[in-house]
Amino acid sequence: GENVEQHPSTLSVQEGDSAVIKCTYSDSASNYFPWYKQELGKRPQLIIDIRSNVGEKKDQRIAVTLNKTAKHFSLHITETQPEDSAVYFCAARGSTLGRLYFGRGTQLTVWP
Amino acid sequence: DAGVTQSPTHLIKTRGQQVTLRCSPKSGHDTVSWYQQALGQGPQFIFQYYEEEERQRGNFPDRFSGHQFPNYSSELNVNALLLGDSALYLCASSLTGQGSGELFFGEGSRLTVL
Repeated sequence: GENVEQHPSTLSVQEGDSAVIKCTYSDSASNYFPWYKQELGKRPQLIIDIRSNVGEKKDQRIAVTLNKTAKHFSLHITETQPEDSAVYFCAARGSTLGRLYFGRGTQLTVWP
Repeated sequence: DAGVTQSPTHLIKTRGQQVTLRCSPKSGHDTVSWYQQALGQGPQFIFQYYEEEERQRGNFPDRFSGHQFPNYSSELNVNALLLGDSALYLCASSLTGQGSGELFFGEGSRLTVL
């Protein structure tokens, strides 16, 4: 099955700086890569996703890049704010019907 | 428009007991997936239900079972509880056959096994 690895496990940045979280996957058949944000005690919420036919996608301060050849994808958050502090999970899926395979998460802390 | 709702939100059981967790999908969704999230870990896929049948299953023992009803709601049952079953159980709904099949998660049921 698919194996998703995520780094780093913790990340601390100063408000206004950029944050980058990286994930790798093992199954070349995976074609959908969502990112979820989970605040303490809350549900995981989709913040951005990308499909394998696209190399980059941006939504305001958040962007995701995908390198299919190297089988890795990254989340970029610019101009970070304290409210960006949360656990971020990457995930991969092989088909529309398929399960999501999650990384272990990155605890992002943004210091004011 | 109600999102995914789960009940109960918290519960405490003892080893060997049985538990039933419930989930109502987002309006218009027909597919329900269950995930187990241990403390400090990413969610792990348990199984997925569509058209009242288990369509996919993750690497969980058959102590974990489920059901989907005609109104698309779902239950997760866990028998013979172990300490290691303590976790947040997340239900996620989606619409099969449409676009990305984006998952919408509920707030979860936090199970503590003593």
